Amino acid sequence: SQKIEQNSEALNIQEGKTATLTCNYTNYSPAYLQWYRQDPGRGPVFLLLIRENEKEKRKERLKVTFDTTLKQSLFHITASQPADSATYLCALDLTGGGNKLTFGTGTQLKVEL
Amino acid sequence: GAVVSQHPSRVICKSGTSVKIECRSLDFQATTMFWYRQFPKQSLMLMATSNEGSKATYEQGVEKDKFLINHASLTLSTLTVTSAHPEDSSFYICSAREDRGQPQHFGDGTRLSIL
Repeated sequence: SQKIEQNSEALNIQEGKTATLTCNYTNYSPAYLQWYRQDPGRGPVFLLLIRENEKEKRKERLKVTFDTTLKQSLFHITASQPADSATYLCALDLTGGGNKLTFGTGTQLKVEL
Repeated sequence: GAVVSQHPSRVICKSGTSVKIECRSLDFQATTMFWYRQFPKQSLMLMATSNEGSKATYEQGVEKDKFLINHASLTLSTLTVTSAHPEDSSFYICSAREDRGQPQHFGDGTRLSIL
């Protein structure tokens, strides 16, 4: 069956380091993949969208890569700050219709001083 | 830009009560709105997809008579949990999208607690 996998364990890193989060998917080739941030008790906030013909995308301290051969996306936060602490969700369209997203379970990131 | 407002943020009510949750896109027109449910430490589970002016499409296992969705305009969708019971207690989140292939913009969720 189609599924999305993210690191289920929390990721703890020191301030200033680069955080790298992984999103793997199976059995489908999505046209695009999205990353969201979610803080406790809040709705997710859209961060980046990367299309299948894009290898990499950047936005300020964020970088996303998309390897359609490996069926994997990596999400990097450089020069991480305590304010980056949150749960990060990847999401993709598994149905091909471009209509709805399936979300991964998310990876909790904690940036320590 | 792309702000989605969801109300109320928290509801506590007795079993058997029906609860209405509103989702509004404030600065864009949303051709499609989505309703999700999220349990603690779990991901978002899509309940239904709602297109303006048409009936909602429910995911497998979601009772359409239990969770009534109305998408009357390009900026407003409502979810009514009818005759709510304790097992309906959850965090409900809506999102809105301008067009296919575009990001979804989320409301801040409604914490529903049924006593």
